[in-house]
Amino acid sequence: GAVVSQHPSWVICKSGTSVKIECRSLDFQATTMFWYRQFPKQSLMLMATSNEGSKATYEQGVEKDKFLINHASLTLSTLTVTSAHPEDSSFYICSAVALTAGAYEQYFGPGTRLTVT
Amino acid sequence: AQSVAQPEDQVNVAEGNPLTVKCTYSVSGNPYLFWYVQYPNRGLQFLLKYITGDNLVKGSYGFEAEFNKSQTSFHLKKPSALVSDSALYFCAVRDGGNQFYFGTGTSLTVIP
Repeated sequence: GAVVSQHPSWVICKSGTSVKIECRSLDFQATTMFWYRQFPKQSLMLMATSNEGSKATYEQGVEKDKFLINHASLTLSTLTVTSAHPEDSSFYICSAVALTAGAYEQYFGPGTRLTVT
Repeated sequence: AQSVAQPEDQVNVAEGNPLTVKCTYSVSGNPYLFWYVQYPNRGLQFLLKYITGDNLVKGSYGFEAEFNKSQTSFHLKKPSALVSDSALYFCAVRDGGNQFYFGTGTSLTVIP
């Protein structure tokens, strides 16, 4: 089946620094990828929709200047958390949409645990 | 607007007993419904989905779900629970634009 990877799987950074998280579709091309954020014991919150070759669409309340999303190719989307603060500590999950057997399916990455100290 | 509700934050069941994790939905148009499982510090794993057809959907790891249009429900079930089924379960609905709306999750604990 379709596989989505994320790198790194976990990262610790100091407050004020920036962190880049990569989301890759390994065996398929994805024109659309999604970025989610998950707090402990809570559901996934959609942050933004990333479309290859165009600007990301951010959900209400998500700061586009803080969470920079780039979808430069059909297999790679990146999320950069700029000037990270402890409140940005969270589990970030991406997903990629693939056309499978005539239907669009969404495949999730394993997630990235970000801890800001 | 699309939404799903998982009324139970926590479900406990004895190993070997049947389990049910509840989900109700609210959608405009035809519902595309999904169940995912999440283990600690891991991403979501697909269990099953309902798009159209038979109301009883069979999925991975022996799980199944029944689509009930009149009750707008899509409960996840398994005839005999395993300790390894202990995890966080999410119900989700997808809109026509491939955007998913997740429920708040239900933590399942299977007691040996």
